[in-house]
This record gives sequence, C-alpha cells and structure tokens, in this order.
Amino acid sequence: KNQVEQSPQSLIILEGKNCTLQCNYTVSPFSNLRWYKQDTGRGPVSLTIMTFSENTKSNGRYTATLDADTKQSSLHITASQLSDSASYICVVSGGLDSWGKLQFGAGTQVVVTP
Amino acid sequence: NAGVTQTPKFRILKIGQSMTLQCTQDMNHNYMYWYRQDPGMGLKLIYYSVGAGITDKGEVPNGYNVSRSTTEDFPLRLELAAPSQTSVYFCASSPLGNTEAFFGQGTRLTVV
Repeated sequence: KNQVEQSPQSLIILEGKNCTLQCNYTVSPFSNLRWYKQDTGRGPVSLTIMTFSENTKSNGRYTATLDADTKQSSLHITASQLSDSASYICVVSGGLDSWGKLQFGAGTQVVVTP
Repeated sequence: NAGVTQTPKFRILKIGQSMTLQCTQDMNHNYMYWYRQDPGMGLKLIYYSVGAGITDKGEVPNGYNVSRSTTEDFPLRLELAAPSQTSVYFCASSPLGNTEAFFGQGTRLTVV
C-alpha cells in the first residue's frame, strides 16, 4: 500500500480560480514533506519543503500547509494561470535512516482552462 | 545553469538489448538517485549513491546496475532489456540525503 495518497487524481479549473490539492501520508518516522510540480515531459521541480515544525510555507501563488499530527498536507494554488497546468506530486521523507528513500505520491493532474 | 543532465531523452530498445542511461550534475552534490516513473504511479527508487565509489539498491533494482566513479556522473545500465522496463527514468541529485532533490528532464524508454 502506498504510504502517500493524493487527491483528487485530477481536476480542471478555470483560469483565475483557486484550488486545493490534498496529501495524506503514513510514513513514519517523518522528516519532511515536499511538493513538486511536474510539467508534461519534464522532471519534477521543487515548490516547497516543510519539516514537522512548519505549518505553512509559500512560494509565490503556491501555499502548502502541513498538519503533522493528522499526517495531512495541502497545496493551495491562488489565481491559477495556464502555466499551472501540470502534475503536482507530494513527497514524504522519512527519518535519517531512510533519507535516500523518498515516498512519492502518484500526483494530482491539474488542467487550467481559459 | 545546467543542473542535472540526462541523455538520451528518448530510446527504443529491443528485448534483450542493453544500454546505458547517462546522468551528470554540475552542482557538486554528493547524493545522486535513479528513479522510474510508470503511468499513474509514484516515482520508484532504483539505485542511489552517497558519493563517488558508493552505491546502494533502492526499491526496484532488479535488471539494473549503476556505478559512480566521479562526483558528477551516475550512469544507469540496463542489461537484457525487458518490456517491464518500459518507463520514464529520472536522475536526481541533492547536496545532502534529506534535502531538496533536483531532477533531470527524464529519459523515455520503450522496450519492444
């Protein structure tokens, strides 16, 4: 069973609207949680990285939240643009003894339409 | 800035053939990784390296081999290609094991 579950699997939003993506994880121990953006045909690019002590982190129009108690994270996209069309991947890093073994979610495919 | 560079971008192999996927990074990162990405699935770790001369298996190492003779290069070798190895392969690097990873643009491999 995948230790990182993302929802929804895909979504379509109108340009200018906001959306929120969800990530639930069971990875333990927990070190940090990352959100990556992956454009079609490209490698993932980091958006945010949060440790257990951080509740929120922003990168431009992207805001990630983390609740380490409930093991949930969200990524909020504000005022979406066509260039936001991509797959958004939640990645969880375990403790120091598993540093090389990131757990990847399957991603949420976001399509922004004019 | 070049970052992580992978070659080739696309390749078609016949069953039983062998090939090497090249990966080089210019950020002087100690840690390097190879992942595969299958449709609808999260990335899976194939092999990783903590520095020149040191490599270790990840989650799905069967059918692959790696070497790390320099800090910059981390090639992935496929021996006796099988259809199950059809996938998109990503190389990544990071300064430390638990820090942000930088990914290459990927190699799309099809085995027929």
